[in-house]
Amino acid sequence: AQTVTQSQPEMSVQEAETVTLSCTYDTSENNYYLFWYKQPPSRQMILVIRQEAYKQQNATENRFSVNFQKAAKSFSLKISDSQLGDTAMYFCAFKGGSEKLVFGKGTKLTVNP
Amino acid sequence: DAGITQSPRHKVTETGTPVTLRCHQTENHRYMYWYRQDPGHGLRLIHYSYGVKDTDKGEVSDGYSVSRSKTEDFLLTLESATSSQTSVYFCAISPGPLNTEAFFGQGTRLTVV
Repeated sequence: AQTVTQSQPEMSVQEAETVTLSCTYDTSENNYYLFWYKQPPSRQMILVIRQEAYKQQNATENRFSVNFQKAAKSFSLKISDSQLGDTAMYFCAFKGGSEKLVFGKGTKLTVNP
Repeated sequence: DAGITQSPRHKVTETGTPVTLRCHQTENHRYMYWYRQDPGHGLRLIHYSYGVKDTDKGEVSDGYSVSRSKTEDFLLTLESATSSQTSVYFCAISPGPLNTEAFFGQGTRLTVV
């Protein structure tokens, strides 16, 4: 079974600085997708970024980028120029051939003014 | 926003009673998921469905059953509610295949007393 591990339960960063959230996963599949979701205090789940395992190029979405290391099974999220609105829980997720979507335990990120 | 509605949004029930949560979608998506979210545990998959009458277990399926008799509805039943099932429950939908994001409902807060 696939597992997703987020080793940082909580992190904080100063506004305008850069922060990196870690995620590792375990799978025997070759074709899969990885996602980062954001959950603000409103509880709504919002997709931040996605990465296909077959693509070597790291995905980017504005201030959000990933460092995808397939051999190491690592998928970290970098947030540049952090904003107060980035304060949220961040979840790493894996989806393989079964379409089963598995999440990590999350990292609570606080952006301080 | 994806058309996904969870009902009820809040419920308090007594230990030992059966409870059914409903997830309704208007997107005609193939895949539907039920998660529970608890502090320190992230989102844990309970059951998911890959078509009408096609369901599979997730990592925390004990004490829960599901049914999907129509594309648009995915029901989660707690056969005999226990206090350990007090949680926030999320439904998600996805059209598939792999690279498509999952869209989440607003969540149901269930308290078992």
